Amino acid sequence: DTEVTQTPKHLVMGMTNKKSLKCEQHMGHRAMYWYKQKAKKPPELMFVYSYEKLSINESVPSRFSPECPNSSLLNLHLHALQPEDSALYLCASSPLGTRSYEQYFGPGTRLTVT
Amino acid sequence: TQLLEQSPQFLSIQEGENLTVYCNSSSVFSSLQWYRQEPGEGPVLLVTVVTGGEVKKLKRLTFQFGDARKDSSLHITAAQPGDTGLYLCAVHTGNQFYFGTGTSLTVIP
Repeated sequence: DTEVTQTPKHLVMGMTNKKSLKCEQHMGHRAMYWYKQKAKKPPELMFVYSYEKLSINESVPSRFSPECPNSSLLNLHLHALQPEDSALYLCASSPLGTRSYEQYFGPGTRLTVT
Repeated sequence: TQLLEQSPQFLSIQEGENLTVYCNSSSVFSSLQWYRQEPGEGPVLLVTVVTGGEVKKLKRLTFQFGDARKDSSLHITAAQPGDTGLYLCAVHTGNQFYFGTGTSLTVIP
């Protein structure tokens, strides 16, 4: 199984809502990532989990809160978002200890903040 | 300053034409990856190059890693509409993963 799944596919939320994005992989990868992507731009790294511990937080506002319950699951909790947070949110995983850290991406969640 | 600069940023060509996308840096890398992202989907890994001067082929796509391992190119022969997408080079260095600035390719039927 070389698939990374993300739910939901699309999400529309108001600025006062609380919602969560979910990501799952069963490839045994011990690194998982959240990215934010605007149209026709490269993905921007938000968070990295290594061995279920947060290893990188790229100065992301606290209205985004990541969680890694186990080695297969990654969540992104959203609260009090702004319209400029509307974007495609991508989850990825990669094996650790290899030379190239090749990443496997999910299809993304298209988030619209109204 | 971006670690990986891609050129061109945008490219619109007719079906059947050839094209080359470049990924340049002033840093040396142990490996480099190319991804393609189709509209509405996540990036998909196309290839990893690890040896300076290495050439890899994937059907109509030819990837080359520079001799000094600072740059790479992607050449597409006889482009098809299915090649449309965002092409990204990427490296893992200093415990971080970096994407290039991206090349958005549109192939017109």
